[in-house]
Amino acid sequence: AQSVAQPEDQVNVAEGNPLTVKCTYSVSGNPYLFWYVQYPNRGLQFLLKYITGDNLVKGSYGFEAEFNKSQTSFHLKKPSALVSDSALYFCAVRVRSGNTGKLIFGQGTTLQVKP
Amino acid sequence: DVKVTQSSRYLVKRTGEKVFLECVQDMDHENMFWYRQDPGLGLRLIYFSYDVKMKEKGDIPEGYSVSREKKERFSLILESASTNQTSMYLCASSVALAGLNEQFFGPGTRLTVL
Repeated sequence: AQSVAQPEDQVNVAEGNPLTVKCTYSVSGNPYLFWYVQYPNRGLQFLLKYITGDNLVKGSYGFEAEFNKSQTSFHLKKPSALVSDSALYFCAVRVRSGNTGKLIFGQGTTLQVKP
Repeated sequence: DVKVTQSSRYLVKRTGEKVFLECVQDMDHENMFWYRQDPGLGLRLIYFSYDVKMKEKGDIPEGYSVSREKKERFSLILESASTNQTSMYLCASSVALAGLNEQFFGPGTRLTVL
């Protein structure tokens, strides 16, 4: 079955430290991968995506993600965390649906950045 | 800026009521989506539409229906609300080639069914 998993419910980091939010996927064919962020009481916002090309993808707010085909992973990273990065993060993968495609989302990881 | 608006931020309904959730986008997007968000389950796709009057079932369509009579508007209908439909409902839109382009989300409607 096609799926995406975020193995950590919560990640805690200190401000200024690097952060990683993990995501692994299982799809048939080439994977198209996304990260979204949800700030409190807000809708989801797109951060970045991997479709093809360079395995290191740069996105909004200083975030980046590394696509690793052999490990079927797409971890979200940031070199130096900010308190304002505290939010709920979702990884998603595109799967085919009829004549079009749709996203399957992971269960979400809460990132807590402490001052 | 793309704007996706949802008719209500909070809604309280009684079991058995018919519930309408409305979503409007202002960027002429072909695709529109309805998700529900539950803690620990992430977002699950209820229905999506890739054109006016076209719809496809998502992963959890049971108990829901949708309507898309105009390109900018996508409605989610709970024919007879039940307590297990208490959830956060998110609408999204995107340009064509669904799944390859980013989706723009509305702020969500938190529905409570008593």
